[in-house]
Amino acid sequence: DTGVSQDPRHKITKRGQNVTFRCDPISEHNRLYWYRQTLGQGPEFLTYFQNEAQLEKSRLLSDRFSAERPKGSFSTLEIQRTEQGDSAMYLCASTNRGLADTRAGELFFGEGSRLTVL
Amino acid sequence: LAKTTQPISMDSYEGQEVNITCSHNNIATNDYITWYQQFPSQGPRFIIQGYKTKVTNEVASLFIPADRKSSTLSLPRVSLSDTAVYYCLVFGSGNTGKLIFGQGTTLQVKP
Repeated sequence: DTGVSQDPRHKITKRGQNVTFRCDPISEHNRLYWYRQTLGQGPEFLTYFQNEAQLEKSRLLSDRFSAERPKGSFSTLEIQRTEQGDSAMYLCASTNRGLADTRAGELFFGEGSRLTVL
Repeated sequence: LAKTTQPISMDSYEGQEVNITCSHNNIATNDYITWYQQFPSQGPRFIIQGYKTKVTNEVASLFIPADRKSSTLSLPRVSLSDTAVYYCLVFGSGNTGKLIFGQGTTLQVKP
């Protein structure tokens, strides 16, 4: 059973460049989340998909960020015109737990994609 | 979503029981309490979830008093490998399932 897979694990880019991260959730997990985490802080919610529909997007997410989940399988997170403040770990999580499940709060996280913007 | 408050850091020694308390004064009737563990350079990992009284699994126990305004995660006989950040979260069954993380508690286990 493979877990949530994220690619690339590390990305170094220059300010102003575009970057794209990919997340492959656990098979048949219909719910998918993106988080961002900076050093010393807890993960910060970015966006949520149920199947292919993007149902929630953080107000903190600028219009330089866009996420997709075509066909309800893998997801991509693109950052356009990167800034140094975008440097962070980008985490993807998935689950198929029902919201009434006794483990409904269990999200399965990937190991993240670390972005460094120079 | 209810705000949680937990200690920034804790120290312990191998073999001891560790209790991390979290306060969530404005928890709603439909909210659950969930705890996660995170090691450096890894994603968070689910530990346990509860609604009231006591929940136990192979890793930890979760104690929730009747008023549910706080909860305590109990780790029995910790080892060096339990050194990690522990997050207390309140999870609402009526929302999208997103989790709101705070700063967590950094637990340092010493030999």
